[in-house]
This record gives sequence, structure tokens and C-alpha cells, in this order.
Amino acid sequence: DAGVTQSPTHLIKTRGQQVTLRCSPKSGHDTVSWYQQALGQGPQFIFQYYEEEERQRGNFPDRFSGHQFPNYSSELNVNALLLGDSALYLCASSSGWLLTGELFFGEGSRLTVL
Amino acid sequence: AQSVAQPEDQVNVAEGNPLTVKCTYSVSGNPYLFWYVQYPNRGLQFLLKYITGDNLVKGSYGFEAEFNKSQTSFHLKKPSALVSDSALYFCAVRDRGNRDDKIIFGKGTRLHILP
Repeated sequence: DAGVTQSPTHLIKTRGQQVTLRCSPKSGHDTVSWYQQALGQGPQFIFQYYEEEERQRGNFPDRFSGHQFPNYSSELNVNALLLGDSALYLCASSSGWLLTGELFFGEGSRLTVL
Repeated sequence: AQSVAQPEDQVNVAEGNPLTVKCTYSVSGNPYLFWYVQYPNRGLQFLLKYITGDNLVKGSYGFEAEFNKSQTSFHLKKPSALVSDSALYFCAVRDRGNRDDKIIFGKGTRLHILP
């Protein structure tokens, strides 16, 4: 049973560029949440997708956008990259949008913006 | 909005000694509380959760957590620490509004188990 998979694992971009990160949820899960984890900090909630819709959003600018596909996989897009966007981006999956249970996390995509 | 606080950036414990990692919470209504662990360059792994029931919750790898409503705390404990327990630990709370439902994490506590 495959867990949550994320790609790419590492990437380097320059300021102003755009990046797309991908996530496949754990088998049987239909909800994907994205988090940003800066070095030495806790994960910060970006947004959550369920039934191909953004259900809720954290305090992140519109440069951060996403998508969920019919197979429940998801993408996170960040436009006009800033140095401060350098972080580990974590995808977490769960079953149903009501979060009574645990989140299953991928190993993350580490983004470095130069 | 709900929140959790982890007052210690780092905790050092000798191998074999009991360990405690502290967490306090602020919620309206009944809290849903979680502990996660993160090893270097890895994603987070679920350890345990409290939703209702017994105040002492048992989880993975011999960890347990004690829910204390009067002190609004949810401290993580283990009777005998292992060097392999060295990692970053996050307390988390469910933040549920009228139309949203998300998990909010604390800033984390780094646990060092000394051989």
C-alpha cells in the first residue's frame, strides 16, 4: 500500500520564477492538505482540497494556488517566487474533509529560491 | 481560532530516563489533539490523538500523552527514553469552523536523548 508520494524531492528556483509541486495521496484517501514548513518552524497550513475544490485556505497570498484531479492527486503552484518561499512543502492526505483522524504526510518537496 | 503552544524549543534527556514534551492548547469546545514526530529530512508521522475518553492516551513507539482539561495541557510522555527517540515533536489541534476543518501545528520541540 503506497503512502503519500511527493515530487520532486528537491528543487532550486530563482526569484520571480514559478514552481509546481505534486502529491499523490495514500490509497483510499480523497482529501489533500498542503503545508509549508520553514527551517526550524512548525508546518503552516496553506490550503486543503476535497472533491476537486479548495475547501479552506490559510494565511497565504494568491501566489499560492492549487488543484485536485479526479484521481485525488494534487498540485501546489507558487508564482513569482520570493526568497521567503524557500521551505519544505508537505502534502498530507486523509479520508473525508472532516479531520477526526490522523493525517498521513509525504516526505516533502524542499524548495530553495535563490 | 484554536492554537497550541510548545514552550520548550529543546528537551535533553538521558537514555533510560523518563521524558516529557510539553504542550498547552487553546480551543473553544471539545479539543481534538494530536502528536506528530519528524525525523531529519522526513515528513511528519502520527504518534497519537485525543478526541474523547480516557485522559491517558497510548500511541506508537511506547509514547503516551496525558490530557488535562483544567490545565489545558496535552503533554507527551515516555517512561524510558531511547536514543532513537531523538527527533522533532509537534503538538497539533483540530481547528474547526463553520465551513472549514484543518489541523494546526505548534512550532515543535527538539528532543535530544543522550547516550
